[in-house]
Amino acid sequence: DVKVTQSSRYLVKRTGEKVFLECVQDMDHENMFWYRQDPGLGLRLIYFSYDVKMKEKGDIPEGYSVSREKKERFSLILESASTNQTSMYLCASSLRLAGGRETQYFGPGTRLLVL
Amino acid sequence: AQSVTQLDSQVPVFEEAPVELRCNYSSSVSVYLFWYVQYPNQGLQLLLKYLSGSTLVKGINGFEAEFNKSQTSFHLRKPSVHISDTAEYFCAVHYSAAGNKLTFGGGTRVLVKP
Repeated sequence: DVKVTQSSRYLVKRTGEKVFLECVQDMDHENMFWYRQDPGLGLRLIYFSYDVKMKEKGDIPEGYSVSREKKERFSLILESASTNQTSMYLCASSLRLAGGRETQYFGPGTRLLVL
Repeated sequence: AQSVTQLDSQVPVFEEAPVELRCNYSSSVSVYLFWYVQYPNQGLQLLLKYLSGSTLVKGINGFEAEFNKSQTSFHLRKPSVHISDTAEYFCAVHYSAAGNKLTFGGGTRVLVKP
């Protein structure tokens, strides 16, 4: 059974703080993803990684960075948090199969409030 | 740009009634199609997916979806809903030119009433 865990369910930070969101998966998946979820907008991809130390920008990378030092762990970093980054953040992982047919497995999400 | 449209943001439905959630995507030569469900306070989980073959796809919990290439649609249906089907449902599309990325629709919130 695939398990994707996220370090916090709820987080409150102040504007300008550096924020780390951690994600760990236990199924040896190559691909890992960070999304933000906002009402009416669905999920939007921030960054993804298909291997250790590899990263690719998604659709909305501005204001974020990521780190993947180990295969099972993918961190999302908000260098200087702003109020418009208040959102639900979802991490996902998947096998690296050919052609995009793989299922993504999601963590429970971190609800971040930036004051 | 590639896009996925879920035409209804909210769908109230009575228990044991049928439900249909609509999903349309921008046209492409090759797509894979997914429906995910998010129960309250949980992450998303896969309901079903279309990769190839039969256009009618059956998923978990009695849901099914039909791929219609000419109408670029992938509507989700369930003939009789339960209270436990109250959740948000997301349609997602993998476009062949997009590498590993999925494009998600805006979500449809289903509220099942007794």
